Amino acid sequence: DIVMTQSPDSLAVSLGERATINCKSSQSVLYRSNNKNYLGWYQQRPGQPPKLLIYWASTRESGVPDRFSGSGSGTDFTLTISSLQAEDVAVYYCQQYYTTPHTFGQGTKLEIK
Amino acid sequence: QITLKESGPTLVKPTQTLTLTCTFSGFSLSTSGVGVVWIRQPPGKALEWLTLIYWDDDKRYSPSLKTRLTITKDTSKNQVVVTMTNMDPVDTATYYCAYTNLKTDKTGGAIDYWGQGTLVTVSS
Repeated sequence: DIVMTQSPDSLAVSLGERATINCKSSQSVLYRSNNKNYLGWYQQRPGQPPKLLIYWASTRESGVPDRFSGSGSGTDFTLTISSLQAEDVAVYYCQQYYTTPHTFGQGTKLEIK
Repeated sequence: QITLKESGPTLVKPTQTLTLTCTFSGFSLSTSGVGVVWIRQPPGKALEWLTLIYWDDDKRYSPSLKTRLTITKDTSKNQVVVTMTNMDPVDTATYYCAYTNLKTDKTGGAIDYWGQGTLVTVSS
């Protein structure tokens, strides 16, 4: 299995400030034939199912605010929220879908400072 | 509009077999690239990928649970069924079914749509 490791486990950021979450995979999730990273980011608010924010490591899902951005390639990835809003309080997960099982990171809990 | 809904027992006893059904609408599981995936989440813990079935009946399982899981589809009923044998209290979790699409002009395998989940408790 590809192991996905997120850092930090929890994060407290002031409203309007930047939040950065990291995700590292135990092997590359870059498929060289199409130059795509098979990496997604999800947001899970309390009591809700996860919601897809980013796919292909950096493509925002339709309707996702542009303060959310994804970057990285190969084994190292980052989710950035440029200006934290109150509704961004949630747990964030990365997931690789390069090979099954499509493993998730352990999650990063984002709170308001 | 794509929707998915999980159904099944909320309580099972240890050693019993769990059967969950995912009933979906807004897509066909006979369309090339489409898949339905099951994921679970123990209370307060992380997401765990369980199993996936594709439009062509290709089935994938988590290696750690492979001996206990079976996934099937009924395209005519728009349903996917998963069974998990020999349930244990550690299997207590919310079980989600979700939609995925392999096509590279789509999300390529990320999980686009999720059901609301169903909480299954394993207890005697």
